[in-house]
Amino acid sequence: EAGVAQSPRYKIIEKRQSVAFWCNPISGHATLYWYQQILGQGPKLLIQFQNNGVVDDSQLPKDRFSAERLKGVDSTLKIQPAKLEDSAVYLCASSLSTPGTGTYEQYFGPGTRLTVT
Amino acid sequence: TQLLEQSPQFLSIQEGENLTVYCNSSSVFSSLQWYRQEPGEGPVLLVTVVTGGEVKKLKRLTFQFGDARKDSSLHITAAQPGDTGLYLCAGGDSNYQLIWGAGTKLIIKP
Repeated sequence: EAGVAQSPRYKIIEKRQSVAFWCNPISGHATLYWYQQILGQGPKLLIQFQNNGVVDDSQLPKDRFSAERLKGVDSTLKIQPAKLEDSAVYLCASSLSTPGTGTYEQYFGPGTRLTVT
Repeated sequence: TQLLEQSPQFLSIQEGENLTVYCNSSSVFSSLQWYRQEPGEGPVLLVTVVTGGEVKKLKRLTFQFGDARKDSSLHITAAQPGDTGLYLCAGGDSNYQLIWGAGTKLIIKP
């Protein structure tokens, strides 16, 4: 079974530029998450999709970040314009999220390391 | 607001020693998961515990969920350099989201 795919793996941009990240979840996983992880810290949820609908985007800085999940499969996360504090690893995860099981096991991609200079 | 506190934040020990990492909260979780993350990679799921008092073993790793489902521990016996990494605990809430701890950075020296 193929894992969660992300691209690019690394990106260096200047502040005020824009950048986009792509994620392809595990086949059949209805729920997709985008996280921001600062070095040495736990992941911070940015947005959660269930199929192609947004479940939670309360921690997404909507003035500069946007995300979409067309057709309930692939997803893109965009930052425009980028700030220095956006330097982080951006992780995509997917989950079956089967109702009633009580377990929410998430499977992560390798992440995209973003450096804003 | 649900929070998970992990301790210690950082641990550096010699190969062959034992260690325990703790994950504590004042909230009850439906499940508790442990992940390990290596540099340049995403977190990898190690185990999920769902029942209060549950104990699971994965080779030299022993995971325990507290009776009240508010805390968990990870014990590693005879640590090896391959155990080096960032260990993250995460509690499941009702919205298919995980509440994450800040992580324990573990270094095992040969």
